[in-house]
Amino acid sequence: GEEVAQTPKHLVRGEGQKAKLYCAPIKGHSYVFWYQQVLKNEFKFLISFQNENVFDETGMPKERFSAKCLPNSPCSLEIQATKLEDSAVYFCASSPRGEYMDIQYFGAGTRLSVL
Amino acid sequence: GESVGLHLPTLSVQEGDNSIINCAYSNSASDYFIWYKQESGKGPQFIIDIRSNMDKRQGQRVTVLLNKTVKHLSLQIAATQPGDSAVYFCAESTTDSWGKFQFGAGTQVVVTP
Repeated sequence: GEEVAQTPKHLVRGEGQKAKLYCAPIKGHSYVFWYQQVLKNEFKFLISFQNENVFDETGMPKERFSAKCLPNSPCSLEIQATKLEDSAVYFCASSPRGEYMDIQYFGAGTRLSVL
Repeated sequence: GESVGLHLPTLSVQEGDNSIINCAYSNSASDYFIWYKQESGKGPQFIIDIRSNMDKRQGQRVTVLLNKTVKHLSLQIAATQPGDSAVYFCAESTTDSWGKFQFGAGTQVVVTP
């Protein structure tokens, strides 16, 4: 597609439940990035992929968070045993080549509310 | 309704006036910078970028200025329009960690008629 598609738009989970978010990058883009935005501010880089390979995972919390990009499937970000502080908007972005100065195109985000 | 959150710095601008949004960055190794615009309920949208070997770059109605000496970036919007109302973020990256952008705090721009 011509834009990054994220689903669902809004996800509500009780504390301790699992949350799974999906991202379909722009067709032809090789790189996918996940960011977390808390309180309409503070973007935090989580992880990036080059096709199905993890490229940079230095922002990923060590526990509970995992992500995948499998061939012919949307990328996913999964949070096991959600906590209240996981409430945020999670953005996915893609770029054509991941090269220095490549623009990242963002999706509309998934709002995760942990109650 | 929404929970109480962080109050963003706000810039109120009259329609037709010029806007200047400022951003201080901390990493002296940062060598690539982007300005993004985020409208309510949407993801960040690319506006303009600049490399560290430049101090000024112009686009359509927008100009980005970079002062590496004081680690300061600004975005100027000419003849501000109601559609410019949004939150504006600067983002920085380095060649060593390209793709991993560090975002600034964001500035809310409100355009008044």
